[in-house]
Amino acid sequence: DTGVSQNPRHKITKRGQNVTFRCDPISEHNRLYWYRQTLGQGPEFLTYFQNEAQLEKSRLLSDRFSAERPKGSFSTLEIQRTEQGDSAMYLCASSPRQGTWEQYFGPGTRLTVT
Amino acid sequence: KQEVTQIPAALSVPEGENLVLNCSFTDSAIYNLQWFRQDPGKGLTSLLLIQSSQREQTSGRLNASLDKSSGRSTLYIAASQPGDSATYLCAVRDGNKLVFGAGTILRVKS
Repeated sequence: DTGVSQNPRHKITKRGQNVTFRCDPISEHNRLYWYRQTLGQGPEFLTYFQNEAQLEKSRLLSDRFSAERPKGSFSTLEIQRTEQGDSAMYLCASSPRQGTWEQYFGPGTRLTVT
Repeated sequence: KQEVTQIPAALSVPEGENLVLNCSFTDSAIYNLQWFRQDPGKGLTSLLLIQSSQREQTSGRLNASLDKSSGRSTLYIAASQPGDSATYLCAVRDGNKLVFGAGTILRVKS
């Protein structure tokens, strides 16, 4: 069991550019979550997938944000026309199909928009 | 809307002390509660999960309790060590998502 992985770990981009992050969940975990964390705050929920279906989206997920999980395995989070306010740590988590729904987090992708 | 509050925001203790971190939540209709540890610039490590039907969970020097009716949880750390220095986050499962507190920054001085 290799844990949740995220790539890239760090991304610096200029305002207005598009960025895409990838998350690989723990194998056989059918639930996948994206959160965003700003400095000094706890993570905030963005969106949730069960298999390939996106079942819940936060109001934080503006129309510049899109997330996919095309084959029910890895997921991508794309931010279009980045703004300085998008600078944050983007965290991915997964949980198994049965049991306690305990969420296991990846190392995160740190986004800096200049 | 579920809100989670953690007190204190920061704590500094000498090595060897026992300590308690507090977490409160506004809606008692939770499925479970998780305590996490986060090192600077890193992801979250799950420490303990307490189901809504449980009162406490223990792992090594850590003990977490849950009082759902009063909307409170505590994380007890025994015999603290410098390696325990980190941010500790409490999160309640609210439907499909976790709702987090802002965390307690713990510093254990050697």
